[in-house]
Amino acid sequence: GQNIDQPTEMTATEGAIVQINCTYQTSGFNGLFWYQQHAGEAPTFLSYNVLDGLEEKGRFSSFLSRSKGYSYLLLKELQMKDSASYLCAVSPWDSNYQLIWGAGTKLIIKP
Amino acid sequence: GAVVSQHPSRVICKSGTSVKIECRSLDFQATTMFWYRQFPKQSLMLMATSNEGSKATYEQGVEKDKFLINHASLTLSTLTVTSAHPEDSSFYICSVGGQGYTGELFFGEGSRLTVL
Repeated sequence: GQNIDQPTEMTATEGAIVQINCTYQTSGFNGLFWYQQHAGEAPTFLSYNVLDGLEEKGRFSSFLSRSKGYSYLLLKELQMKDSASYLCAVSPWDSNYQLIWGAGTKLIIKP
Repeated sequence: GAVVSQHPSRVICKSGTSVKIECRSLDFQATTMFWYRQFPKQSLMLMATSNEGSKATYEQGVEKDKFLINHASLTLSTLTVTSAHPEDSSFYICSVGGQGYTGELFFGEGSRLTVL
């Protein structure tokens, strides 16, 4: 079956670094996405990985290991506005934009 | 990326009434739109795939007669929750697929439905 696991909740300090892990088991693989979702709002796109390695985009980086079915989202220089849920999603097919979603990790930033 | 507008953002209705939610793709012709439902502290759950000019494809367990989807144009899809009940209270979100990355989605603002 299709399964995506990520921690339910994490806490970090403003200015610090946090890594949110995601493991997946899907019938196929055509890319892994990270989305940010603030409470009461729709998700917004953060990153996309389809090849192994690290993709860096400003304060956010995303890593993928396809052989391990593993990804992480790395957030540096944390700001209070980074308090949100972070959703890991996998595209198991090569078309149609259908994604398998993780339950999300709620990140709490403390001063 | 695509700009997606969803309306209304919040709606409160009485049990037994029907509620219509609109999803508009403002700058992108979307042959396919997706409708999600999200309960508190849970992930997005795909309800159905809305196809322009044809019937929507519903996910297993989603009642097509209760959640009516119409995708009459390339820029508008509507979700009607018929005979709403309190258990239908949820956050409903639509999305369209963008160009470039396969699977990148652009979301509407979401609609918070509360059924009394």
